[in-house]
Amino acid sequence: NAGVTQTPKFRILKIGQSMTLQCTQDMNHNYMYWYRQDPGMGLKLIYYSVGAGITDKGEVPNGYNVSRSTTEDFPLRLELAAPSQTSVYFCASSYSLLTQDRGSYGYTFGSGTRLTVV
Amino acid sequence: DAKTTQPNSMESNEEEPVHLPCNHSTISGTDYIHWYRQLPSQGPEYVIHGLTSNVNNRMASLAIAEDRKSSTLILHRATLRDAAVYYCILRPGNTPLVFGKGTRLSVIA
Repeated sequence: NAGVTQTPKFRILKIGQSMTLQCTQDMNHNYMYWYRQDPGMGLKLIYYSVGAGITDKGEVPNGYNVSRSTTEDFPLRLELAAPSQTSVYFCASSYSLLTQDRGSYGYTFGSGTRLTVV
Repeated sequence: DAKTTQPNSMESNEEEPVHLPCNHSTISGTDYIHWYRQLPSQGPEYVIHGLTSNVNNRMASLAIAEDRKSSTLILHRATLRDAAVYYCILRPGNTPLVFGKGTRLSVIA
């Protein structure tokens, strides 16, 4: 059971370039999330999805786009990379709270993608 | 979002119990109290959560004050592997988790 898999682990982008951060989960979780973490700070929510075809903005969505065509995959797209997007990006997944109360608890996080924009 | 207040850092000796406090004086009746921890260079991991009653699992215990305005995460016997940033988070219903800065726990051998 792989859990949440993020690729790539590291990436250096030049200003203005685009890229997609991949996230896949194999736990049949209906909820998925993208967070970013700047040095010494807590995680900030970028986007989240409550199911295939449904996405919503978090605290810091500007400069990013997402799609959720399947339950398993939740890619994050950076269209025009800027130095302010240098960060560690974490993808996570979970059941809905109602399901959690039945015994399946918590978010499962991936190991992160460290992105540097130069 | 409901807010929590945690100390920036704490220190513990190895093999001793650790009590990590969290204040959440504006908590509402439907807010669950969640604890996560983040080991160095890793993503956060779920530790425990509760609503009103104290909770125990294999990782830790969660003690919730009777008025729910504070809670304490208890690690019964700290090990070097418990050195991490611990986040106390209030979660209303199905809304996504909102992380603060947490408490950085150092464990001394």
